[in-house]
Amino acid sequence: DIQMTQSPSSLSASVGDRVTITCRASRSISTYLNWYQQKPGKAPKLLIYVVSTLQSGVPSRFSGSGSETEFTLTISGVQPEDSGTYYCQQSFTTPPVTFGQGTKLEIK
Amino acid sequence: EVQVLESGGGLVQPGGALRLSCAASGFTFSTYAIGWVRQAPGKGLEWISSISGSGSNIDYADSVKGRFTISRDNSKNMVYLQMNSLRAEDTALYYCAKDRVAATSDTFDHWGQGTLVIVSS
Repeated sequence: DIQMTQSPSSLSASVGDRVTITCRASRSISTYLNWYQQKPGKAPKLLIYVVSTLQSGVPSRFSGSGSETEFTLTISGVQPEDSGTYYCQQSFTTPPVTFGQGTKLEIK
Repeated sequence: EVQVLESGGGLVQPGGALRLSCAASGFTFSTYAIGWVRQAPGKGLEWISSISGSGSNIDYADSVKGRFTISRDNSKNMVYLQMNSLRAEDTALYYCAKDRVAATSDTFDHWGQGTLVIVSS
């Protein structure tokens, strides 16, 4: 199985900061990497798929990059509503679909 | 508007069984794969099963293989997850989620609000 490892596990940022979350795959997943946002008590929401394509309705301050085993989610100019937990997920070698352990983002 | 709604969760004793249902609308149901993803209290996301649009391709996580069975009824726009031999570690919020594309991509673009399963004596 492909293991997905995110860093950091949590971070705190101020409004307007640039935030970067990293996701590493245990082996190459090409560009089959997705990002989800989950707010407390809510279902996950697809933000970005195949590394860098924004899901419809997602603000342009979100962006993704990377390939093979290393990927990043960047929020340029973080907003209060961006607080929550972010998960990466690989869809290259399935089953199983695997998720990272999550990165909790707090807005100061 | 795409909608996905889970039901059927509840409290069950270890070794017991439960059937979850997922009702979907707003898209050509038989064309899209559906997955189940669970989240234990305070923990991350764990994919457990997916079924293709036709129902011909089915996958399970090792953690549930042999105990859980996924199925779908395209005439009713429903997906089911039959859970047998439940264990305490199956306690979680179970989400049903729609695949993003008509061909299976294992990328989930619409999720329900989840149904809670508690396995406890």
